[in-house]
Amino acid sequence: AQKVTQAQTEISVVEKEDVTLDCVYETRDTTYYLFWYKQPPSGELVFLIRRNSFDEQNEISGRYSWNFQKSTSSFNFTITASQVVDSAVYFCALSPLDYGGATNKLIFGTGTLLAVQP
Amino acid sequence: DVKVTQSSRYLVKRTGEKVFLECVQDMDHENMFWYRQDPGLGLRLIYFSYDVKMKEKGDIPEGYSVSREKKERFSLILESASTNQTSMYLCASSFSLAGTGKYGYTFGSGTRLTVV
Repeated sequence: AQKVTQAQTEISVVEKEDVTLDCVYETRDTTYYLFWYKQPPSGELVFLIRRNSFDEQNEISGRYSWNFQKSTSSFNFTITASQVVDSAVYFCALSPLDYGGATNKLIFGTGTLLAVQP
Repeated sequence: DVKVTQSSRYLVKRTGEKVFLECVQDMDHENMFWYRQDPGLGLRLIYFSYDVKMKEKGDIPEGYSVSREKKERFSLILESASTNQTSMYLCASSFSLAGTGKYGYTFGSGTRLTVV
């Protein structure tokens, strides 16, 4: 079975604090993609990152960084020096990508609500 | 940029009505999806389509049907709306090119449906 678990339902931090959002996944596929999406109060899902299962290098983009560890099936997301504009629901997702190019359906975690207080 | 457009941002319908949610994408993507989002449950896949007139059930298809008569348009149909179908509905489209690593996945802005 394929599953994504985001155990943190809600996190509240004060501005400028660092915060890590956890994501643990389960899959038997050897080839897959992992994603993080941000959903601000407006409701639209904003793509943040896609990581191929073959690439375990950590990635940094400005204040955002991602730690992919295949050994523990985790793909955690860290925001450094958080800001009020980071307040949103964050979703981790898994795509059992078929290189035959078929469906790419996403399996989502239940999301983590991040509240950044001024 | 790829754009996925959902025709309505907010909808209020009565129990028993037939409801159509429309989704259009402008980048010739093969795959289209309908997800439902509920608090504490994340996004769950209702139906998807990988080609015109082709459809596959997702994880929660009961009470829904879909139509894909043209590549760019994917409609979600609630045959007889019920209050437990009150939710946020998100459409998405995607492509992938086998062997290239090229992959794209784009969501619409969502339709918040209330059934009263």
